[in-house]
Formats: sequence, structure tokens, C-alpha cells
Amino acid sequence: DAKTTQPTSMDCAEGRAANLPCNHSTISGNEYVYWYRQIHSQGPQYIIHGLKNNETNEMASLIITEDRKSSTLILPHATLRDTAVYYCIVKYYGGSQGNLIFGKGTKLSVKP
Amino acid sequence: DVKVTQSSRYLVKRTGEKVFLECVQDMDHENMFWYRQDPGLGLRLIYFSYDVKMKEKGDIPEGYSVSREKKERFSLILESASTNQTSMYLCASSSTGTTIFGPGTRLTVT
Repeated sequence: DAKTTQPTSMDCAEGRAANLPCNHSTISGNEYVYWYRQIHSQGPQYIIHGLKNNETNEMASLIITEDRKSSTLILPHATLRDTAVYYCIVKYYGGSQGNLIFGKGTKLSVKP
Repeated sequence: DVKVTQSSRYLVKRTGEKVFLECVQDMDHENMFWYRQDPGLGLRLIYFSYDVKMKEKGDIPEGYSVSREKKERFSLILESASTNQTSMYLCASSSTGTTIFGPGTRLTVT
């Protein structure tokens, strides 16, 4: 079972920041938080990951609370092409398997 | 650009046919995975491999087999396709960090 809880759906206006929350209250000390998204009929796309510090890359920012029980993915200026299902996943970094367990994710709709 | 490629985006097969889905990665990753994705059920792991010639069953291996003869290639085999194997099939690979997915193969079994 997925170890994360996300809202089923969210809307965001084009050009505004999209803030997607995720709860992972049972995360263990060496598990990372990963975010992927899936645009309709395509394979999931990696966005960002982090352990306890906030992270930023060219796609998004990841804010992880100090207790690590929740996080927020921020798309700073959402576009229509960001409409997708966003998945928050916790897993160990490395290891021999690297299997990702996907929950139901959040369907983000970016509207003009 | 690093990438995972799958042999077909769309495939239509008849019940009882043997089906091969091929996946190739160019990142020298040790781990490779096959998932299927169905509406309402999400992504489910079929098989994975953490080394050449090694394979492990995932959550739903029944009706499938896999082959990994070379590090870069991981094949999913449907020995006798059935209509309940109509699905989106996703291949992925990983090393110590990020998992990269292929574009997916939408298989229809009629």
C-alpha cells in the first residue's frame, strides 16, 4: 500500500503557483520523498525528490516540513501543459530494488 | 538525454497469441521494472530485475514472464494473451536514485 495521502483533485489558474500537498506521517528516517507526474496516456515523469531539506530544480520546488510528516510540491507558474496526475511517493534511496509504490495521486487541472 | 524506450506505443493482439514487449534503457541501470496501469487500480508491479538474468515477482506476476539477457534490455512476455491483459504497460529502470519510465505500451487483446 502507498504510504502517502494526497487530495484527489485540485484546480489552478494558469500562471499562478500550484501547491500540491502530501501527507506521509509514517515516513522513516532514511526514506526520501519523490514526486512524479503522469500526463494522460504517457509514462510517469520524474519531477523532484528530497530527504529533509527543501529542494528546487528547473521544474518545481519541494518543501518538506521539519518533522518530515508532510510535504508540498510547488509549480511556481503553472501552465496548461502541467495538467496531469501528480504522485507523491516515499521510498528508500538506493537499495537493490528501487520499486515505487504509487497511490492514486492528485489530478491537477490548470485552467486558462 | 537519458531514456527508456519501449518497442511499441500501441499494440493489438488476439487472444491466445504470444506477446513480447521490449524495453531498452541507455543509463546502465541495474534495476528494471514492468508495471501495468489500469483505471481505478493505479500502477501495479508485475516483475522486476536487479541484475542480468535475475528476476523477481512483483504483485501481479500471473500470466506473465520476463527475460533479461543483457543489462540494457528487459522483456515482458505474455505466453498466451487474454482479454484481461488489455492494459497500459510501463517499463522503468533505476540505479541508486531516480526511477525513469518509458512512454508506455497500450496493449489491446481482442
